[in-house]
Amino acid sequence: GENVEQHPSTLSVQEGDSAVIKCTYSDSASNYFPWYKQELGKRPQLIIDIRSNVGEKKDQRIAVTLNKTAKHFSLHITETQPEDSAVYFCAASFRSGTASKLTFGTGTRLQVTL
Amino acid sequence: NAGVTQTPKFRILKIGQSMTLQCTQDMNHNYMYWYRQDPGMGLKLIYYSVGAGITDKGEVPNGYNVSRSTTEDFPLRLELAAPSQTSVYFCASLGGPSYEQYFGPGTRLTVT
Repeated sequence: GENVEQHPSTLSVQEGDSAVIKCTYSDSASNYFPWYKQELGKRPQLIIDIRSNVGEKKDQRIAVTLNKTAKHFSLHITETQPEDSAVYFCAASFRSGTASKLTFGTGTRLQVTL
Repeated sequence: NAGVTQTPKFRILKIGQSMTLQCTQDMNHNYMYWYRQDPGMGLKLIYYSVGAGITDKGEVPNGYNVSRSTTEDFPLRLELAAPSQTSVYFCASLGGPSYEQYFGPGTRLTVT
């Protein structure tokens, strides 16, 4: 089955700096790569996702890049703000007409300090 | 739309007790999922369903059972609760051409 590794496990940045979180996946058939933000005691919330036919996607201060050859993808947050502090999870799945199962990374705790 | 709802929000069980975690979605999604999230960890798939009457095991199914008699409901049954089942349980659904899974608010379960 799919295996997703995520690094780093914790990340502390100063407000205004950039943050980068990296993930690798094992199944070359995976075609969908979402990123979730989870605040303490809350449900995971999708913040950005990318499909395998795209190399990069950007939404305001967040961007995701995908390297299918190397089987890794990354989340980039620019101009970080205190409200960006949370746990971020990457995931990978193979979406077909009959199945779609997400495999999650172990999470990165991002702390944005003033 | 209420989206994905879960009950109860919190529950404390004694070892050996049983309970059912409820999950309902009102988006007419075919796919539904149960995950568990242990402290400081990612989500692990317990069971999933691709439609009414069809269920399959995920990564960590032992100690759990599911059923899917309707499109809307996907209850998770714990038989003979064990301390190792202390976790936060999330239900999710997916439907149509979208790739996005929608998560419920979670159930925090403690087994003592």
